[in-house]
Amino acid sequence: SQQGEEDPQALSIQEGENATMNCSYKTSINNLQWYRQNSGRGLVHLILIRSNEREKHSGRLRVTLDTSKKSSSLLITASRAADTASYFCATSTGSARQLTFGSGTQLTVLP
Amino acid sequence: DAGVIQSPRHEVTEMGQEVTLRCKPISGHDYLFWYRQTMMRGLELLIYFNNNVPIDDSGMPEDRFSAKMPNASFSTLKIQPSEPRDSAVYFCASSLTGGFSQPQHFGDGTRLSIL
Repeated sequence: SQQGEEDPQALSIQEGENATMNCSYKTSINNLQWYRQNSGRGLVHLILIRSNEREKHSGRLRVTLDTSKKSSSLLITASRAADTASYFCATSTGSARQLTFGSGTQLTVLP
Repeated sequence: DAGVIQSPRHEVTEMGQEVTLRCKPISGHDYLFWYRQTMMRGLELLIYFNNNVPIDDSGMPEDRFSAKMPNASFSTLKIQPSEPRDSAVYFCASSLTGGFSQPQHFGDGTRLSIL
């Protein structure tokens, strides 16, 4: 079974709006990573947040981590049409020794 | 800088044929991962190497799948014989020391269709 599950599965917004995607996981993690995948391309790493961190920023991206709720959120502010892509969370756990990806959120930003 | 390079980008072949996918990781990265992505199962880790040595191949679905890393700059994933259910996008990724605690850099994948 997948460790991370994104919510919603699909999100459609207007350019300039903020987009929020959520990720829930089941077991304790070492870190959680967010990736973006454009159609027909490979995954691109966005942000890594460690289990002892609560929030990280990178440009228009903000990631939060709540280990008590076993959840993370990715916020994209002032979205652009170029942000249209699938977004995946991936968790790393010490025992599993692998990066487990969720099923992704398909974000569509309408111009 | 060159990223992870995979070849071919697309492969269409008939069932029963041998398929070889190739990957060149980013120079200096000592971890290499092979993933498979399908609509039904999402992104699955097949196998990963550290310093050219296979560490965990528990994700390899069957004995028909094999992977090698003869040197730090080249890896192959081979399917022999291929079956229609092997149709998927296969990704190679590499990362620096630290493996799963480091960002992974993905190639653009090989889209494999087995007829």
